[in-house]
Amino acid sequence: AQSVTQLDSHVSVSEGTPVLLRCNYSSSYSPSLFWYVQHPNKGLQLLLKYTSAATLVKGINGFEAEFKKSETSFHLTKPSAHMSDAAEYFCVVTPYGNQFYFGTGTSLTVIP
Amino acid sequence: DTGVSQDPRHKITKRGQNVTFRCDPISEHNRLYWYRQTLGQGPEFLTYFQNEAQLEKSRLLSDRFSAERPKGSFSTLEIQRTEQGDSAMYLCASSPRWTSGNQETQYFGPGTRLLVL
Repeated sequence: AQSVTQLDSHVSVSEGTPVLLRCNYSSSYSPSLFWYVQHPNKGLQLLLKYTSAATLVKGINGFEAEFKKSETSFHLTKPSAHMSDAAEYFCVVTPYGNQFYFGTGTSLTVIP
Repeated sequence: DTGVSQDPRHKITKRGQNVTFRCDPISEHNRLYWYRQTLGQGPEFLTYFQNEAQLEKSRLLSDRFSAERPKGSFSTLEIQRTEQGDSAMYLCASSPRWTSGNQETQYFGPGTRLLVL
């Protein structure tokens, strides 16, 4: 069975401080993992993806994520938050490359 | 813009009416997916097509729901006899031809927001 758990439904950070959004997954197969971002009234945008190459994945807008098989985690980080990072973030697992399994999302608030 | 497009963007209907949504994928993407997203939740898989063949359907896709992709290009999702519980955002995504060892990214459209009164 495949599933994703996003450990925090809401995260608040001050502008310029680090961001950490946590994701744990469960998969019967070696999965591919993604992070997507959803800004209000906009479509889901791919931030980054892991597909069994390097375990540290760099994405757009300064985000990166590290795949840790032993911990079944794929946490998303950014060294310095920007106001424009405020959005909903989804962790996604897919075992076969067809059906995506989404987490419930983490709402990121950036405080000026 | 050559991204995934969906029409309409918003739909308000009365309970019991039928509605149809359209999705135009990125050109030459052979896979097309439908998801449903309710407030405060992540998107949930409904169904997907490879070319014109519907390969998988979720148990969420009741008998009132039907999806087609007749020519392997655009797709339609129809909901018959709508219920208030159908109120949600319906998302469409597409991906290019899947190659072994390379899980393809899904590119999402802006969604159709349905409100059933």
